[in-house]
Amino acid sequence: GAGVSQSPSNKVTEKGKDVELRCDPISGHTALYWYRQSLGQGLEFLIYFQGNSAPDKSGLPSDRFSAERTGGSVSTLTIQRTQQEDSAVYLCASSPPPAPSVSEQYFGPGTRLTVT
Amino acid sequence: AQSVTQPDIHITVSEGASLELRCNYSYGATPYLFWYVQSPGQGLQLLLKYFSGDTLVQGIKGFEAEFKRSQSSFNLRKPSVHWSDAAEYFCAVGGGGSYIPTFGRGTSLIVHP
Repeated sequence: GAGVSQSPSNKVTEKGKDVELRCDPISGHTALYWYRQSLGQGLEFLIYFQGNSAPDKSGLPSDRFSAERTGGSVSTLTIQRTQQEDSAVYLCASSPPPAPSVSEQYFGPGTRLTVT
Repeated sequence: AQSVTQPDIHITVSEGASLELRCNYSYGATPYLFWYVQSPGQGLQLLLKYFSGDTLVQGIKGFEAEFKRSQSSFNLRKPSVHWSDAAEYFCAVGGGGSYIPTFGRGTSLIVHP
């Protein structure tokens, strides 16, 4: 079946511009995560959506970052007034309906963001 | 707070040799443990997971991992490495009602012919 898809695959933007990154999770997966992966670094958690519950935004690094999930499916991560330190690969992941705790995640291929 | 340590940033092995990647975790309750692999330019793919039961778990691509509670470890092993196994490997821990796993910083595996 179809996996998690992300678009665009690459995005080059000028410092100060806004960008939107899109994630289409696996159909039926209720949980959706956004992560940031900088060169040579691990995964930095950004935000978590579970069904219609309020998202966990505890990982967002600043108020320039926001995300929404429409209809419990597609999600958009928005970065306003981009800075060079925002350059990274942004990964989206989805998980099946909730188990007692964290379940396995299915990752998209990522969006590589370069801020010039 | 939960944490994961992958002590080796890089590991180099020869094709056909055995492999062990280390993962140590810190967690207050019974952990849920995962190993993921990331090939260049790709997202992460689940290799295997441990939730409960048999402490030796089998995964895809011939990988296995053993949960050792006394050592707070979940090391990944493969008896014979193939060149296609060259990738970045991430260990992750979660559990206790939390839906947000913590990832290690990854180990880069280099395979020499």
